Amino acid sequence: GQQVMQIPQYQHVQEGEDFTTYCNSSTTLSNIQWYKQRPGGHPVFLIQLVKSGEVKKQKRLTFQFGEAKKNSSLHITATQTTDVGTYFCSTNTGNQFYFGTGTSLTVIP
Amino acid sequence: DTGVSQDPRHKITKRGQNVTFRCDPISEHNRLYWYRQTLGQGPEFLTYFQNEAQLEKSRLLSDRFSAERPKGSFSTLEIQRTEQGDSAMYLCASSYSGGGHGYTFGSGTRLTVV
Repeated sequence: GQQVMQIPQYQHVQEGEDFTTYCNSSTTLSNIQWYKQRPGGHPVFLIQLVKSGEVKKQKRLTFQFGEAKKNSSLHITATQTTDVGTYFCSTNTGNQFYFGTGTSLTVIP
Repeated sequence: DTGVSQDPRHKITKRGQNVTFRCDPISEHNRLYWYRQTLGQGPEFLTYFQNEAQLEKSRLLSDRFSAERPKGSFSTLEIQRTEQGDSAMYLCASSYSGGGHGYTFGSGTRLTVV
């Protein structure tokens, strides 16, 4: 079954508004990765988090790994139309690899 | 290196036929993964290789699915006796075993079984 669950499934925002997607697990995760998939495209790696409480930033994107390493979030400040796509979290346990169901972001100009 | 290449991009086949997809990973990457993705879902892990060794294959969807990576370079995914439920995007990805840089995905092969 799914190792990680994502919420929300869909999010519509006005351009300039902020956006956050959450990735949750019932078990402690060794790592969490985030990917972006544009409509009609393939997943593109954004970042990996491995440490408890880790926070990383990429321009307007902020990634967090929870203190208990059971959840993670991706926050986009002041969304732009180029942010449109589906954001997936991913993790692995040994030789098993899991992706969340994704959050589809629509940005309204 | 132009990234991960998959061939063909699209495949339409009749139910019951066998299909084979090819993936050429980034040459420096020693790990190669196969995923399946259906509309509105995240990629579903199928199998992966480290060099030529297939380290995990329990998530292959049935015994009709098999994958090979004979020389530790390119890989093939074969589906025998295709069924309509096999229609999906099949994604290949590669990475370093040391991790930290994520997977690099190919553009995928879209399979339609009619």
